[in-house]
Amino acid sequence: KQEVTQIPAALSVPEGENLVLNCSFTDSAIYNLQWFRQDPGKGLTSLLLIQSSQREQTSGRLNASLDKSSGRSTLYIAASQPGDSATYLCAVTDSGNTPLVFGKGTRLSVIA
Amino acid sequence: DGGITQSPKYLFRKEGQNVTLSCEQNLNHDAMYWYRQDPGQGLRLIYYSQIVNDFQKGDIAEGYSVSREKKESFPLTVTSAQKNPTAFYLCASSTRMGNGYTFGSGTRLTVV
Repeated sequence: KQEVTQIPAALSVPEGENLVLNCSFTDSAIYNLQWFRQDPGKGLTSLLLIQSSQREQTSGRLNASLDKSSGRSTLYIAASQPGDSATYLCAVTDSGNTPLVFGKGTRLSVIA
Repeated sequence: DGGITQSPKYLFRKEGQNVTLSCEQNLNHDAMYWYRQDPGQGLRLIYYSQIVNDFQKGDIAEGYSVSREKKESFPLTVTSAQKNPTAFYLCASSTRMGNGYTFGSGTRLTVV
């Protein structure tokens, strides 16, 4: 059964720092991997989706990489801002028609 | 605007009651999902449906029931058999191939 782990569980950084969030998954036979953002008491917002054939995706200050063979993904946030404070969740799906399996998330605080 | 609407935002349940959470989407997505979120637990899959009149159990289906009579709607009933229903419930939808995941804003259920 697929399991997703995110490290660290919580992270606090000063404004302006670059940072990396980590995600690992136990079964490398994934269809795609997604990163989401969740603000307190809210739903999830999709940030980046990486198909299994891709190595990375970029959106603005965010860059996500995927190393399927080692079962790892990283989310890189450049020049962090207080507005980036949220919980970031990683999720994978094993095929196109199976639900996403989520990690427990990393709670990020960016201090002004 | 296309999206997913969950209602109500807050719901209070008395012991022994069944309650139903609403989820409606106008994205023309085939697949719909219900997840439960507890503090520090990440998202856990309750039920999912890939097509009208068909649905599958997720990891924690006991004490819950669903129906999928229309493509746009996927209501979740929390029955009295669910002993610890207090949680944040999130509904999502996607294309049949697992792309375009979109989440609702959630329903917070509390047992009183």
